[in-house]
Amino acid sequence: AQKITQTQPGMFVQEKEAVTLDCTYDTSDPSYGLFWYKQPSSGEMIFLIYQGSYDQQNATEGRYSLNFQKARKSANLVISASQLGDSAMYFCAMREPLQGKLIFGQGTELSVKP
Amino acid sequence: EPEVTQTPSHQVTQMGQEVILRCVPISNHLYFYWYRQILGQKVEFLVSFYNNEISEKSEIFDDQFSVERPDGSNFTLKIRSTKLEDSAMYFCASRIGGYSNQPQHFGDGTRLSIL
Repeated sequence: AQKITQTQPGMFVQEKEAVTLDCTYDTSDPSYGLFWYKQPSSGEMIFLIYQGSYDQQNATEGRYSLNFQKARKSANLVISASQLGDSAMYFCAMREPLQGKLIFGQGTELSVKP
Repeated sequence: EPEVTQTPSHQVTQMGQEVILRCVPISNHLYFYWYRQILGQKVEFLVSFYNNEISEKSEIFDDQFSVERPDGSNFTLKIRSTKLEDSAMYFCASRIGGYSNQPQHFGDGTRLSIL
């Protein structure tokens, strides 16, 4: 069965610094997709970045980048130049290949300090 | 930018009552999903819907739950006889068709409170 693990319940980072949020996954399927979503305190789920299992390069999207290490089954999110508005819950998710449902990790609550 | 719309944003219902949560997915999307997030916990998959039928459902999605796409735009989740443990945030999501790297786009959620 597929599984996503986020081992950091909470993280603090100073404004303007970079932060890495950890995500490891487990799957026996060679084809999969990994997603990161941001959930502010208002509750909505905002898509941030995607990494496909066959992608040769690490995904980047503005200040977000994904440190994808396939052999280690990790897909860590790196946020550069943190801003106060980055304070939120961050979820890593894996897309199941057949029906496309997302399996989510427990989330990491990021707090950005001024 | 097109978005997934959910109504109502907050629903308060007496235990045992029926509730219908509504969603308008992005217009050219073909796959639709409902997820649930109990307060402080992770997001859990409930059901996926494609080509006017359920394509997969989780063990949470028992006989009390049903989904419908009554017309070309709405996608509804019905809970027939609500229980206290149904209190949660319910998210609708949609994605464009095909096996692709396109993400699921989520609505802002409906917070369901069962009294």
